[in-house]
Amino acid sequence: SQQGEEDPQALSIQEGENATMNCSYKTSINNLQWYRQNSGRGLVHLILIRSNEREKHSGRLRVTLDTSKKSSSLLITASRAADTASYFCATDEMGGSYIPTFGRGTSLIVHP
Amino acid sequence: DTEVTQTPKHLVMGMTNKKSLKCEQHMGHRAMYWYKQKAKKPPELMFVYSYEKLSINESVPSRFSPECPNSSLLNLHLHALQPEDSALYLCASSHSGTGFLEQYFGPGTRLTVT
Repeated sequence: SQQGEEDPQALSIQEGENATMNCSYKTSINNLQWYRQNSGRGLVHLILIRSNEREKHSGRLRVTLDTSKKSSSLLITASRAADTASYFCATDEMGGSYIPTFGRGTSLIVHP
Repeated sequence: DTEVTQTPKHLVMGMTNKKSLKCEQHMGHRAMYWYKQKAKKPPELMFVYSYEKLSINESVPSRFSPECPNSSLLNLHLHALQPEDSALYLCASSHSGTGFLEQYFGPGTRLTVT
């Protein structure tokens, strides 16, 4: 399975601090996406990075992709209590049938 | 309108009941998905519809029966479910069924099977 593995599984920080979470995967991919899920709700797309890109920014989010290490990181700068959520990476396997596979997620708690 | 709606929000059903989950989007997306998510786990893909045709069935038991009546609607018919089927059921849509693109998720239906 192509399932990504997020690290750490849980992260607890204070408001204003930066939060970094990592995702590793097993085979070559077309692209990698990050999603956020507030407790018991649907997922919200954050950012998509293609396999030929190395870094992408969106507001306070910075995503990197290292295809040689098969890993990606999501950095949230100047975190806010509203950033408290679970964060998932999702990939699809190159040459596969475009089935999105989600990693197990990182649970982020930001204390006010 | 960038919203995916799902009804009902909560559903409690017995093992002998028949019920349906509904999903709707008006973004012109041609791919729609059903996911199952257990607590503290990632979403697991169940079905994919591409241009109103079932393109992927991830070996889901036949007690789950998907239906795509038109390009905006997606149903999931439930029959003779088991308690272990209790979960959050998420619907999503994306622009195309070819390529893993940004998915828009609904808020989910919380299903409890008693």
